[in-house]
Amino acid sequence: EAQVTQNPRYLITVTGKKLTVTCSQNMNHEYMSWYRQDPGLGLRQIYYSMNVEVTDKGDVPEGYKVSRKEKRNFPLILESPSPNQTSLYFCASSLSPRGQETQYFGPGTRLLVL
Amino acid sequence: QKEVEQDPGPLSVPEGAIVSLNCTYSNSAFQYFMWYRQYSRKGPELLMYTYSSGNKEDGRFTAQVDKSSKYISLFIRDSQPSDSATYLCAMSGGTGNQFYFGTGTSLTVIP
Repeated sequence: EAQVTQNPRYLITVTGKKLTVTCSQNMNHEYMSWYRQDPGLGLRQIYYSMNVEVTDKGDVPEGYKVSRKEKRNFPLILESPSPNQTSLYFCASSLSPRGQETQYFGPGTRLLVL
Repeated sequence: QKEVEQDPGPLSVPEGAIVSLNCTYSNSAFQYFMWYRQYSRKGPELLMYTYSSGNKEDGRFTAQVDKSSKYISLFIRDSQPSDSATYLCAMSGGTGNQFYFGTGTSLTVIP
């Protein structure tokens, strides 16, 4: 079954404690993204990757890091989380960033930073 | 100015009604226009996409793009309670490789 998996699904942490949210896809997609979704602000792209070792900033990259060492994995790293990073995070993948290629979303990770 | 503007609603309609959802955008370089549906506590899923201007129909759903007005629409005919969800418009194909989403419109179809 084609899918994007994220872990953990729920996470409560404290300010400054480094954390990693993992993302994996089984569709051999080249394009992967991380988004955050906040009420009233919608879905905003944090980082995206066109392929292995190729990453670029989206609209809201501050406070986040990513890496793409393997095609299937695209972890999101918060080196020093702050309360304003409390949000719902989605990983997504597709063959390309072109609209006709369906972008598959993971189930989401709900993060609370105290 | 936001790249994409979308009325957040909420929108509540009776079953069988025609629903119209809309977005406006500012970047004339966008070429791909998408509508995603998101059920509560789930990730978005692609509903329809359109390349450049024109209409596209898929069952009860019709997507329209008017690039001259920078305006896109999604029409849902004979709406069903199962259509109750948040609908997000999205765009890509500008100078970068990013996706830009609207804030989403929450729709409830009342039986």
